[in-house]
Amino acid sequence: SQQGEEDPQALSIQEGENATMNCSYKTSINNLQWYRQNSGRGLVHLILIRSNEREKHSGRLRVTLDTSKKSSSLLITASRAADTASYFCATDAGGYQKVTFGTGTKLQVIP
Amino acid sequence: DGGITQSPKYLFRKEGQNVTLSCEQNLNHDAMYWYRQDPGQGLRLIYYSQIVNDFQKGDIAEGYSVSREKKESFPLTVTSAQKNPTAFYLCASSIGTASPAFFGQGTRLTVV
Repeated sequence: SQQGEEDPQALSIQEGENATMNCSYKTSINNLQWYRQNSGRGLVHLILIRSNEREKHSGRLRVTLDTSKKSSSLLITASRAADTASYFCATDAGGYQKVTFGTGTKLQVIP
Repeated sequence: DGGITQSPKYLFRKEGQNVTLSCEQNLNHDAMYWYRQDPGQGLRLIYYSQIVNDFQKGDIAEGYSVSREKKESFPLTVTSAQKNPTAFYLCASSIGTASPAFFGQGTRLTVV
């Protein structure tokens, strides 16, 4: 079962602009993670935010979590062509089989 | 270099044949996972293993089998019982569920 749903499905922006993608989920979670996947490659972990945290930063990445709305957002500031990839959220509702991935947002950054 | 290695990168199989995908990690992680990814979709969990000699079915285990005889290795066999095996297969490992997962580069399986 896929709990996380990313929005939008696809996003195209100019280099230097900010990119925002959202993830909504259905049940209570312990933590939420964001991953990046370059075309035809494995996923790379970006950031993990716990259920008792509201915001987290890592370089040009900013993640927010609103547990009351069951949603998270990933903001990439000052985007680069190298940021072109698909971005997935993964929600952990507890237990090894409770980590579920969304369908992803495909980001294209135009040089 | 620490990491997780999948092989081969591309695999072709004739209908009716079993095929085994390799996954090896040297990160000393207890937990390992197999996911299937279809075009435009997220990842679906096939099997996971929390510790050596133990593994559990995920959401789509039918037609697949695994073994975990060594901590470093978690091979996945796609059997002839899997009706639609053409997909991108990803192996991952982690310390636990509250920790980031490290992924291999994937194996693209095509049934011909």
